[in-house]
Amino acid sequence: DAGVTQSPTHLIKTRGQQVTLRCSPKSGHDTVSWYQQALGQGPQFIFQYYEEEERQRGNFPDRFSGHQFPNYSSELNVNALLLGDSALYLCASSSKETQYFGPGTRLLVL
Amino acid sequence: AQSVTQLDSHVSVSEGTPVLLRCNYSSSYSPSLFWYVQHPNKGLQLLLKYTSAATLVKGINGFEAEFKKSETSFHLTKPSAHMSDAAEYFCVVSDGWGKFQFGAGTQVVVTP
Repeated sequence: DAGVTQSPTHLIKTRGQQVTLRCSPKSGHDTVSWYQQALGQGPQFIFQYYEEEERQRGNFPDRFSGHQFPNYSSELNVNALLLGDSALYLCASSSKETQYFGPGTRLLVL
Repeated sequence: AQSVTQLDSHVSVSEGTPVLLRCNYSSSYSPSLFWYVQHPNKGLQLLLKYTSAATLVKGINGFEAEFKKSETSFHLTKPSAHMSDAAEYFCVVSDGWGKFQFGAGTQVVVTP
């Protein structure tokens, strides 16, 4: 049984560009959450998707948007990238309350 | 609103000695609490969780944590540290709807 998978593993972008990160949840999980982890800090909640709808959102600007597909996979989109968006982006899936995390996508904005 | 405070940013222990990582939480309702571990360049792995059942929770790799409502604490312990325990540890409180609030993390160093 595959766990949570994320792609790509690493990404380099320049300021002002747009980026799309992808996540496939663990089998049987219908909820996907996204987190941003800056270097040396704990992960910060971006948003959560359930039944293709954004169910909860953290304190992130509208430049951060997402989508969930009928197969429960999800995308995180970030527009107008800033240097401060450089971080590890983690996806987590859950069927009840416990969340299981993928390995993350490391984004570097130059 | 909910929050979590990890009282130590760094903990250094000798191999074979006990490990104690301290976590205090704040929540307006009965919380669900978790400990996760993150090894370098790896994702987060669940160690254990508390969801209003037994107050002493046993997890993987010999770790356990005790929920103390009167002290609003959820400290993580292990009787005997192993070199492979060197990692970053995060205490997490959940709002019950899946929004996780992470602590700042505790870096554990294990010396031979």
